[in-house]
Amino acid sequence: GENVEQHPSTLSVQEGDSAVIKCTYSDSASNYFPWYKQELGKRPQLIIDIRSNVGEKKDQRIAVTLNKTAKHFSLHITETQPEDSAVYFCAARSLYNTDKLIFGTGTRLQVFP
Amino acid sequence: GAVVSQHPSWVICKSGTSVKIECRSLDFQATTMFWYRQFPKQSLMLMATSNEGSKATYEQGVEKDKFLINHASLTLSTLTVTSAHPEDSSFYICSARTLYDPRGETQYFGPGTRLLVL
Repeated sequence: GENVEQHPSTLSVQEGDSAVIKCTYSDSASNYFPWYKQELGKRPQLIIDIRSNVGEKKDQRIAVTLNKTAKHFSLHITETQPEDSAVYFCAARSLYNTDKLIFGTGTRLQVFP
Repeated sequence: GAVVSQHPSWVICKSGTSVKIECRSLDFQATTMFWYRQFPKQSLMLMATSNEGSKATYEQGVEKDKFLINHASLTLSTLTVTSAHPEDSSFYICSARTLYDPRGETQYFGPGTRLLVL
């Protein structure tokens, strides 16, 4: 079945450094890839998404890249701040099952001041 | 816009009782709502998908008689955990999606309900 792998599971960076989280999906028919940020005890919040007809998308300090051939997509956070500390989930949605999002296992990002 | 609420935010109940959790889309009509379960430090596990006015579609391994889902209107879905047991203790999160706007594929999440079964 569909599967999304996410790495690393934990990531610690110094404030101001960049952070990169990578995901790999198994269903080549996936065409929508959102990223969610979840702070402790709170709801997941959509921070950025990308569709399969685009290779890269940027929103201020956050960017997402997609490599359809390799079935990889990555989240890049530049100039990290302590408030970026949270768990980040990638997800993928199949063209043939548009109801479901398959989530990665999450990355706990800690930004030290 | 696109706010989803859940009620209650937390509940403690005795083993064997039933618990109902409500998920509401406050400022949009939700054609589809999703129910997830999340264990501590783990990912979101989809339990079921519900479309307004039709029966929910349950994921493999999720007991439909145990987790009753009703999506009676375009703004409300309910999850009832029947005869709850300690192993049902978890964080339950709903999300909602509308196909009525250009970003109809986005899922908006509720704040979650923490269930503790004693």
